Amino acid sequence: QVQLVESGGDLVKPGGSLRLSCAASGFTFSHHFMNWVRQAPGKGLEWVSYINTGSTITNYADSVRGRFTTSRDNTKNTLYLQLNSLRAEDTAVYFCARGVGWTFEIWGQGTLVSVSS
Amino acid sequence: QSALTQPRSVSGSPGQSVTISCTGSSNDVGYYDYVSWYQQFPGKAPKLILYDVSKRPSGVPDRFSGSKSGNTASLTISGLQAEDEADYHCCSYAGSYSFVFASGTRVTVL
Repeated sequence: QVQLVESGGDLVKPGGSLRLSCAASGFTFSHHFMNWVRQAPGKGLEWVSYINTGSTITNYADSVRGRFTTSRDNTKNTLYLQLNSLRAEDTAVYFCARGVGWTFEIWGQGTLVSVSS
Repeated sequence: QSALTQPRSVSGSPGQSVTISCTGSSNDVGYYDYVSWYQQFPGKAPKLILYDVSKRPSGVPDRFSGSKSGNTASLTISGLQAEDEADYHCCSYAGSYSFVFASGTRVTVL
């Protein structure tokens, strides 16, 4: 079945780095644009990043631009998010989401990133 | 990238209808017909329930409906059921491969 599984979340100190992965299965990964969306504890959803099918177009929320980088490996059916210069306000559950049209059609279960000293 | 605005909470009795508003700007909700709505239960991932303002994915009950007027989109749940108690999030495409969400609305079934 169609599935997205995130991994890589951890407790990290402010200023630290982390790489999240999102493994896709059950569909042709290379045919879909992908996004990262995060949710801080008790808060709403926040779009983080977009990447198109061929990795030629990426975009980021202002809150993470210059610190986070999204990439994908279509041969491994995997989406990545590199998080650098982490801040306390980056603490959140990070979801990857498959795009169809301009919609987040399928979501993973999320991985928790905690930034604290 | 200003967030969209939703009411913090709405409530209704079983069988009633509730409507959740989602207000943006002429740069997002008002410009694009790409508003989507997501249902989320505590500790779970969001689930798509409406896209392109009013289209329902396969398997979503028809008691969920959507509309848009100007800079405000709306989600209506008709014939409210206990299982509809959840958080609902709206999202709009905002151009140039960017998206904006609202802060979410908690629906309580009385």
